[in-house]
Amino acid sequence: KAGVTQTPRYLIKTRGQQVTLSCSPISGHRSVSWYQQTPGQGLQFLFEYFSETQRNKGNFPGRFSGRQFSNSRSEMNVSTLELGDSALYLCASRETGGSNGNTIYFGEGSWLTVV
Amino acid sequence: GDSVTQMEGPVTLSEEAFLTINCTYTATGYPSLFWYVQYPGEGLQLLLKATKADDKGSNKGFEATYRKETTSFHLEKGSVQVSDSAVYFCALGAGGSARQLTFGSGTQLTVLP
Repeated sequence: KAGVTQTPRYLIKTRGQQVTLSCSPISGHRSVSWYQQTPGQGLQFLFEYFSETQRNKGNFPGRFSGRQFSNSRSEMNVSTLELGDSALYLCASRETGGSNGNTIYFGEGSWLTVV
Repeated sequence: GDSVTQMEGPVTLSEEAFLTINCTYTATGYPSLFWYVQYPGEGLQLLLKATKADDKGSNKGFEATYRKETTSFHLEKGSVQVSDSAVYFCALGAGGSARQLTFGSGTQLTVLP
């Protein structure tokens, strides 16, 4: 079974631009969540989607948004990029329900550099 | 709110040494507890988990026991290898769920041959 797949792996953007990152969850996983990892703040929860609905949101400004499609694939978008948005963005998926419903599996991440 | 406190790093050990990375947590209710490992340039890999008090998670020689009385989930390995060099993260899932994980700051482990 393929793991969580994220694209692109690396990208460089200019301040003020916007970026869209994509995530394909493990087959059969309907929940997708996103995390930001930076050296200063560590790993922080952004949001979780299930059945195309945002279920939970972390403490990030409205410039950070996401969506989920009917096939469970997800995208996150960051508008008006700031230098501080430079980070590794990690997508994770999980089964919902059952004994494995409380375990999430991460992708390899998308490295975003804002210049 | 929920929080996880991890042992400060970096930790440097010789091959075959014993490893302990301390992790304590603060949470309401009964969280699930996890250890994740991150190798250079990669995402997070689940190492082990425990979902209730006194559970012991184990994988690849690593172990951690969910201690409710001390709110701890310390990671141990009896004999580390060079290939164990990585960053280790302790995390909790509130209410026993993994819908939103709270992570510790991570501990960098370097194992020397």
